[in-house]
Amino acid sequence: EDQVTQSPEALRLQEGESSSLNCSYTVSGLRGLFWYRQDPGKGPEFLFTLYSAGEEKEKERLKATLTKKESFLHITAPKPEDSATYLCAVQAGSSSNTGKLIFGQGTTLQVKP
Amino acid sequence: SAVISQKPSRDICQRGTSLTIQCQVDSQVTMMFWYRQQPGQSLTLIATANQGSEATYESGFVIDKFPISRPNLTFSTLTVSNMSPEDSSIYLCSVAQGASYEQYFGPGTRLTVT
Repeated sequence: EDQVTQSPEALRLQEGESSSLNCSYTVSGLRGLFWYRQDPGKGPEFLFTLYSAGEEKEKERLKATLTKKESFLHITAPKPEDSATYLCAVQAGSSSNTGKLIFGQGTTLQVKP
Repeated sequence: SAVISQKPSRDICQRGTSLTIQCQVDSQVTMMFWYRQQPGQSLTLIATANQGSEATYESGFVIDKFPISRPNLTFSTLTVSNMSPEDSSIYLCSVAQGASYEQYFGPGTRLTVT
């Protein structure tokens, strides 16, 4: 069964304290791994897509990396405005025609000033 | 990325009634999806809305409970029928230009069933 597990469930950081969020996946033939940010009361906001092991993408203070079993979202020198829930989702090869995404439970990040 | 709107943004409904949620995109898109996010949970795909044909439902979701329409490439509706308190959730539509492309989400509709 295709599965996505994110850790930790919650993370509290001081402003400027760098850290990483983990997304482990078990999927039959990964077609793509997606990172989203979700603020309270809003829909998920697309951040990154990763397609193959070794791929990396960056956006401001965020950097996403991918291996054959997991992905990391590295947050460098976070600011309070980075506080949100970060969601990881995968698309399996069997879903390449349907577009189905399987989401993890998310990591809720709080950055204190 | 496309601009996606949903109506209503929130609603409180009585048990046994139905609610239709609209999703409007500002440009034509290939694929439209409907997700459910139950309180404290992550997103679960309900169905893929297909233009001109019946929606494709995921396991555990049926057309009688969640009828979906997609009359054109910019609009879709999801109806939650014969509601019970267990249907209280956030319902989100998403769009993509292809099955393997990133999906962009609307703001969601927060439904409370009493």
